[in-house]
Amino acid sequence: AQTVTQSQPEMSVQEAETVTLSCTYDTSENNYYLFWYKQPPSRQMILVIRQEAYKQQNATENRFSVNFQKAAKSFSLKISDSQLGDTAMYFCASSLYGNKLVFGAGTILRVKS
Amino acid sequence: EPEVTQTPSHQVTQMGQEVILRCVPISNHLYFYWYRQILGQKVEFLVSFYNNEISEKSEIFDDQFSVERPDGSNFTLKIRSTKLEDSAMYFCASSDPVNTDTQYFGPGTRLTVL
Repeated sequence: AQTVTQSQPEMSVQEAETVTLSCTYDTSENNYYLFWYKQPPSRQMILVIRQEAYKQQNATENRFSVNFQKAAKSFSLKISDSQLGDTAMYFCASSLYGNKLVFGAGTILRVKS
Repeated sequence: EPEVTQTPSHQVTQMGQEVILRCVPISNHLYFYWYRQILGQKVEFLVSFYNNEISEKSEIFDDQFSVERPDGSNFTLKIRSTKLEDSAMYFCASSDPVNTDTQYFGPGTRLTVL
């Protein structure tokens, strides 16, 4: 069974600074996918970034990047140049190919001006 | 850019009533999912659907729940006799036949059971 753990219930960061959100996971599979989803106050679930476990290179999407440590089963999200619009709940999730997403408990990120 | 849509955005119902939540997945997608999120809690998987049948369901998805793809565009979740604890945000998601790992979510339906 897959499990995803986010140990930081809340984080805050000053506008324009960098913040890192932590995520660890557990799976017995070798081929899997990892994701970060953003949920703003509107409660829409927005895909931020995805990582394929068989790729060693860390995924990046503009100001968002991940630090994927497969041996440690760690998948952290780094947000650079934080903006007020980044304020949201962030969920880490994992899935096996074509299967359900398993989510962590989420981290509330507040960006302060 | 194509997106998943859901209706209604908010549904209020009395305990014991039936509700149907509707979703229109992205048009070329073949894999469909329902998730729910009780306020303040994590997002939980309910059911996945492919080729007109359920491919996986969670223990939450009991006999009170059913899913259907009545035509080529809609994907529905029915709760036969709602309970107070069914109050939650319900999300529909879909993925395409090539990148089945990446699921795109609709905006959700907030269900309130009184």
